[in-house]
This record gives sequence, C-alpha cells and structure tokens, in this order.
Amino acid sequence: GENVEQHPSTLSVQEGDSAVIKCTYSDSASNYFPWYKQELGKRPQLIIDIRSNVGEKKDQRIAVTLNKTAKHFSLHITETQPEDSAVYFCAARSWDDMRFGAGTRLTVKP
Amino acid sequence: DTEVTQTPKHLVMGMTNKKSLKCEQHMGHRAMYWYKQKAKKPPELMFVYSYEKLSINESVPSRFSPECPNSSLLNLHLHALQPEDSALYLCASSQDPGPGETQYFGPGTRLLVL
Repeated sequence: GENVEQHPSTLSVQEGDSAVIKCTYSDSASNYFPWYKQELGKRPQLIIDIRSNVGEKKDQRIAVTLNKTAKHFSLHITETQPEDSAVYFCAARSWDDMRFGAGTRLTVKP
Repeated sequence: DTEVTQTPKHLVMGMTNKKSLKCEQHMGHRAMYWYKQKAKKPPELMFVYSYEKLSINESVPSRFSPECPNSSLLNLHLHALQPEDSALYLCASSQDPGPGETQYFGPGTRLLVL
C-alpha cells in the first residue's frame, strides 16, 4: 500500500468557526475514503465517507469533498462545537488495504 | 446488534506469557480485521480475514497469530511478545471484503507487555 498524507497535524478553532482537514493519497486504485473521529481512549468512529464516483457528500455540519484527479480529499466541519474536539483520521482504501493518515488533533475552544 | 465487541479491555502480560485477544460481531459481516494502534499514531493494518480465510498478513511477526473460528469470531493469539508490542489492538469488521465497504471498529484491547 501507499501513503496517505494528512494536514494539519493540529488545529485549534473557536466555537462556531469552521474546520478543514486535508488529505492526499498516492495509490490511484483507492476508491473509498472514510473519515474517523477518535476521542481519547475510545475507538475510531466513522463520521462520514465518500466513494470515488462521488465528488461531495454532506451530513448536517460535516461534509467531505473528493478530487480524484488531484488525489486529495477534505473534511469540512461547520459551526464547530466543543464536543467536536478529538483526533480525526482520514483513510484511503483499495481492495483489502486501508491506509490511514497520521491524524489531526482538533481543539474547539468554547 | 450493530457492534463489534472485544475482550479483554485491558491486558498486562509478561514476555513469556501466552494470551489471546477476542473479537466478536453479530452483524453478519464477512470480513474482519486486526489493527495495531500506538499512542498518538493512526491504526496500522495487521491481518484481514475474508469469509473466514486469511487474505492479508501485513508482514506481522509470527509472535502474533490470528484465528477465525467462525464468521462471527476473530482471535489474536499472542506469544513471546516484546515491550514494543504494547499498544491498542483494534478489531474491525465490514459487510464484505470489497474496497468500498465501511469498516466498523471495536473498542480495542489495551495491551501492556512488561
């Protein structure tokens, strides 16, 4: 498998602001891109995912965009709340191989 | 039942011990996975089982031995581990082994090797 790059590694925003996390991948066979939220000491939880035949997907305050040509995808969280504070991982999957980005620690200040 | 469960939650073992981690799901998922997650790092794929057969082994040392007794259960047998093997071990499952399938994670077993 190949790498997934994720930026930024830490992100601090004020409550109510938007947060954007970006990932790039190199394996052109990747066609499924989930985002996981992991709170301290807990399991990664899927928050949104996108497949390669879709360019954008939205679920309430969370949206993901995918640019397959450029091999990058982004997570957008609007109207952030303190409970959004966690580590967010992007991932790219091709067949049985799933590679995660290094994670972004998001802090939302009240 | 929409959960992946794992036991034990915590495990402390010596380097000469033999122990097993267990994972269970009753969602009818046909693919199950073991991941290792070190502190402040992303999960790293160790093994993939598709339809109860090992399909991927990501060059994991032989001191880790997976087993899939049936479609609902996945074990990870541990023997002669090293302190650097201390980590959170996560099990996940997906409906099918295909590339577009969502993986759902269990709560993990936090392992400490002394």
